[in-house]
This record gives sequence, C-alpha cells and structure tokens, in this order.
Amino acid sequence: DSGVTQTPKHLITATGQRVTLRCSPRSGDLSVYWYQQSLDQGLQFLIQYYNGEERAKGNILERFSAQQFPDLHSELNLSSLELGDSALYFCASSSPVDRLEYGYTFGSGTRLTVV
Amino acid sequence: AQSVTQLGSHVSVSEGALVLLRCNYSSSVPPYLFWYVQYPNQGLQLLLKYTTGATLVKGINGFEAEFKKSETSFHLTKPSAHMSDAAEYFCAVSGTGANSKLTFGKGITLSVRP
Repeated sequence: DSGVTQTPKHLITATGQRVTLRCSPRSGDLSVYWYQQSLDQGLQFLIQYYNGEERAKGNILERFSAQQFPDLHSELNLSSLELGDSALYFCASSSPVDRLEYGYTFGSGTRLTVV
Repeated sequence: AQSVTQLGSHVSVSEGALVLLRCNYSSSVPPYLFWYVQYPNQGLQLLLKYTTGATLVKGINGFEAEFKKSETSFHLTKPSAHMSDAAEYFCAVSGTGANSKLTFGKGITLSVRP
C-alpha cells in the first residue's frame, strides 16, 4: 500500500457519460498530480494541485476538470466521454514541500473503459 | 522544458544476465532523474532517484543508475536479472523548482527468460 488511495479501481461506462475519479493523497502530502496512461500516448501529465490550488496544467482536455478539496483529496471529472478516453488514470502525491526531491508516490490507478 | 527518451520498447534478457535499460534526457535546468517500475495491474513504484551529490545511485531490488551529465544519460542497470524483474520501467525527469512536474519516457518492457 503506497498510501495514495484511488477509487474506483475499475469503471465501465458508455460514450457521452460523465464520471468522477477520486484520489486521497498520502498523509501530509499537499500536491496531487493526475496522469493518464494509454498504450499509444504513454504517461501523460494532466494537472497538478497544491494545497487546493491549481498549479500546473498539462495535456488535459476541456471535457476534463479537476479540483482539490480542503481535506486535500482530489477528484478528476471526465465528461462527454469518448472511446479514446479509455485509459488508466493515475493519481500521485508528493512531499509536503512543493519540490520533487522525493519523487511521487502513485496510487494503483483507475482503469476506465468507455464502451 | 524537460523530455526523456527511452530507446526501444522491449528488452529481453536471460535470468542471471545483466540488465541495461537506457534513458537519455533533455533539460534546460539541472534535472532530477527517476526510474519507476510498474508491475502488471499495479501503480508505479519508485526504484531510485538522482537529485544531487553522488552520480551513481542505488535503488531497491539491486538496481542502480549513473547520472552522466556529459552524455545526458541515466541508464538503469542490474548485474543479474531475476524472473521477478519482469515489468515495465519508466525513466522520468523533472526540474528542481516549484511547479516542477515529472515528465516520463514511454517506458520499456523487460522480459526475463528462464
């Protein structure tokens, strides 16, 4: 157990639908990062939050949004889903200091299948 | 901006043989460098990292990597492969300041033959 909790582990939904992925960071970590892993694109950075505020944005589609709540858990919302959104979505957290000496701690991911 | 190149997508070695997984990076600032391992149906686990100091870093499970600035490389090695090493390996780079994030390579799948 890495200390980063992601729910649900698996999600199957239809095109056009909306889903919410949840992440609880490791205790004490203030930064949360979302990544999408697919066979063709590899690991793509989506978005980072630090202590409730958006810090950095990567290749995140406009149909996707995220937020970090006061208790530091984060949610990634995916809407108007398309077949190509099927992927493994990872959440990671990093040390309390907003630097990366210690790398990230990853959750086990949510596998999203859009049918 | 940072980027990582991992040449090839698959490496196959015999059990007991040397493991060498290559990683080259590009960074406009002094980088932090990482290797992660992903076992099937699991998340990514940190193997080792280079931040500052000694350029030869040792990680878990007998892996090590050497930071070579002149070659912009951070190759991962293990003297003797074990069947349990079969997994996907990702090299990653980041800057050192605030707002830095990890940028990953495409990953290399390591197979170990009995």
